[in-house]
Amino acid sequence: KAGVTQTPRYLIKTRGQQVTLSCSPISGHRSVSWYQQTPGQGLQFLFEYFSETQRNKGNFPGRFSGRQFSNSRSEMNVSTLELGDSALYLCASSPGQGTNARDLDYTFGSGTRLTVV
Amino acid sequence: AQSVTQLDSQVPVFEEAPVELRCNYSSSVSVYLFWYVQYPNQGLQLLLKYLSGSTLVKGINGFEAEFNKSQTSFHLRKPSVHISDTAEYFCAVTSLSGGSYIPTFGRGTSLIVHP
Repeated sequence: KAGVTQTPRYLIKTRGQQVTLSCSPISGHRSVSWYQQTPGQGLQFLFEYFSETQRNKGNFPGRFSGRQFSNSRSEMNVSTLELGDSALYLCASSPGQGTNARDLDYTFGSGTRLTVV
Repeated sequence: AQSVTQLDSQVPVFEEAPVELRCNYSSSVSVYLFWYVQYPNQGLQLLLKYLSGSTLVKGINGFEAEFNKSQTSFHLRKPSVHISDTAEYFCAVTSLSGGSYIPTFGRGTSLIVHP
C-alpha cells in the first residue's frame, strides 16, 4: 500500500513569505501529526489532527498553523517565514484515534525540506 | 512531563561488532517506549516498541531493546552490525496528553559503521 506522501520534497522561500506543506496519510489512517526536525533542536512536535480537529499543539508561535480535510489529508502553513524556520518538516499518520498507545503505529513520510533565505 | 535523553550523539563501530545505543527517559506516569531509525533524506521508520509484557523487545533488522523500569532506560542493541545500519537512531517516549498519545523524541544517536 502507498505510504505517507509529503509534497513538495524541497522548497526554498524568502524571509517574510508564507508556505504551505501537504501530507497525504496512508489510506484508512485518520490521525496525522507534524514534526519539525532541525540539527539543533531535534524532532519537535508541531500539532496533531484527528477527524479534522486539532487535538494537540506543540510550543510553536501562531505563525505555524495546520488543518485536516475530510479525507484525512493535512496541510501545514507557516506565515512570515524566518531564517530559523529552515528545517525538515515531517508528517506521520497512524491508524487509530491515538487514544490507545497500541494505536501508535506511526508511519512517517520522507519530509519536506524547507530552506528560508 | 516526559523527556528522553540519548546519552551518545555519535557511536562509531566496526562492521560485525556489537553495538548498544543508550536511552534514558523520565516520566511521572506509565510510559510506552519506541526506537526509530532514519536513513539520509528519509522519514523515520519504527524499529521496535515496548507497550507492556516482556521487557526484552525484538524488532526489525536484528535489533532488540530492553526496558528497565528501575533504571528508566530503554537501550537498543544489535549483536553484529552491518554497513547498512549506518543511520540516525531516535528513542521516543509517550504518555497520555490532551486525550491522545504524543511521542517525545530524543536528540538522536548517529550510528556510524566502518568497514
